[in-house]
Amino acid sequence: KAGVTQTPRYLIKTRGQQVTLSCSPISGHRSVSWYQQTPGQGLQFLFEYFSETQRNKGNFPGRFSGRQFSNSRSEMNVSTLELGDSALYLCASSSLAGFYNEQFFGPGTRLTVL
Amino acid sequence: DAKTTQPTSMDCAEGRAANLPCNHSTISGNEYVYWYRQIHSQGPQYIIHGLKNNETNEMASLIITEDRKSSTLILPHATLRDTAVYYCIVSDPYSGGGADGLTFGKGTHLIIQP
Repeated sequence: KAGVTQTPRYLIKTRGQQVTLSCSPISGHRSVSWYQQTPGQGLQFLFEYFSETQRNKGNFPGRFSGRQFSNSRSEMNVSTLELGDSALYLCASSSLAGFYNEQFFGPGTRLTVL
Repeated sequence: DAKTTQPTSMDCAEGRAANLPCNHSTISGNEYVYWYRQIHSQGPQYIIHGLKNNETNEMASLIITEDRKSSTLILPHATLRDTAVYYCIVSDPYSGGGADGLTFGKGTHLIIQP
């Protein structure tokens, strides 16, 4: 079974731009969660989607948004990029909603904002 | 406030058992203890989880004290590939339909020495 894939793996943007990151979950998984990882704040939860519905959202500004498609693939969008948005963005998939089950993480997308 | 306390770093000799402690003195009755690890430049990897009974799988054992205020992750025969940051997470996976995602703290940097 193929693992979680994220595209692109690396991205460089400038302040004020917007960016869209993509996550393809493991086949059959309907839950996709997104996390931001920075050296200062560690791993922080962004949001979780299940069956195209956002179930939970972390404490991030409205510039961070996401969606999930009918095939469970998910995208995350960050608008009006700031320098502090430079981070590793990780997505995780699971077979069930919520976090009881094992979360399978992708390799992440490294975003650099200049 | 952090729900868990872990040592910042630990060393272990290759081939020996690695015992990683975690304090979670404010754990509530519905909260599970999860362990994940993150090898450099990769996404986190699930290891094991438990509620109150000790658990064992092919990767590790989880020992939870009777009062559930602390736990220990045991890697029985550590190898160099086990060098990683290990995260102990306390979460109620059913609260609010999934609550706040998995809250990763700073974790323990485990270094396996040859």
